Amino acid sequence: AQSVAQPEDQVNVAEGNPLTVKCTYSVSGNPYLFWYVQYPNRGLQFLLKYITGDNLVKGSYGFEAEFNKSQTSFHLKKPSALVSDSALYFCAVREKNRDDKIIFGKGTRLHILP
Amino acid sequence: GAGVSQSPSNKVTEKGKDVELRCDPISGHTALYWYRQSLGQGLEFLIYFQGNSAPDKSGLPSDRFSAERTGGSVSTLTIQRTQQEDSAVYLCASSFPAGGTDTQYFGPGTRLTVL
Repeated sequence: AQSVAQPEDQVNVAEGNPLTVKCTYSVSGNPYLFWYVQYPNRGLQFLLKYITGDNLVKGSYGFEAEFNKSQTSFHLKKPSALVSDSALYFCAVREKNRDDKIIFGKGTRLHILP
Repeated sequence: GAGVSQSPSNKVTEKGKDVELRCDPISGHTALYWYRQSLGQGLEFLIYFQGNSAPDKSGLPSDRFSAERTGGSVSTLTIQRTQQEDSAVYLCASSFPAGGTDTQYFGPGTRLTVL
């Protein structure tokens, strides 16, 4: 069965520092991996996804994520955090070539401190 | 190209009443999901429709919850005999699952308050 874990409920980072939001996954085969973001009082938005190819995926707002097959991880990163990055972040996984539903993690709340 | 729309945006109801929440997915999207989100917390999967396949209802919390999708487009989530613990934001998402690489597009949600 597919599953995804976000081990941190909350991450606090000072503005200007690099940030990492962790995600690990479990699928039987090869994964498609996604990050979504929910800003305060706004809907969920797609941020980036890994399908195949280069393990480093670049997305919106300067975010990137690195697919690590051996560690079954897909951590979200940004070199320099902005206060406006404060939001709720969700990692999601789906097994390649299956029509099963996408599975979301429970979310990590990111606080960027000015 | 309109996005996913949901109605109503807000619904206040009394305990024990039935409610219907509507989702209009993006045209051509064959996959449709319903989620529940309480107080800005995580997403709770409710139900998944994919094309003409039988829906995945594994996330529905009780038999008071049901959903249908007519003509492969509009979906209605029905909650019967609402309880206070049903209060949450109900989110709908649609996608075109091209071999599993689909990106989900979320609607703005319906905020349900059960008094």
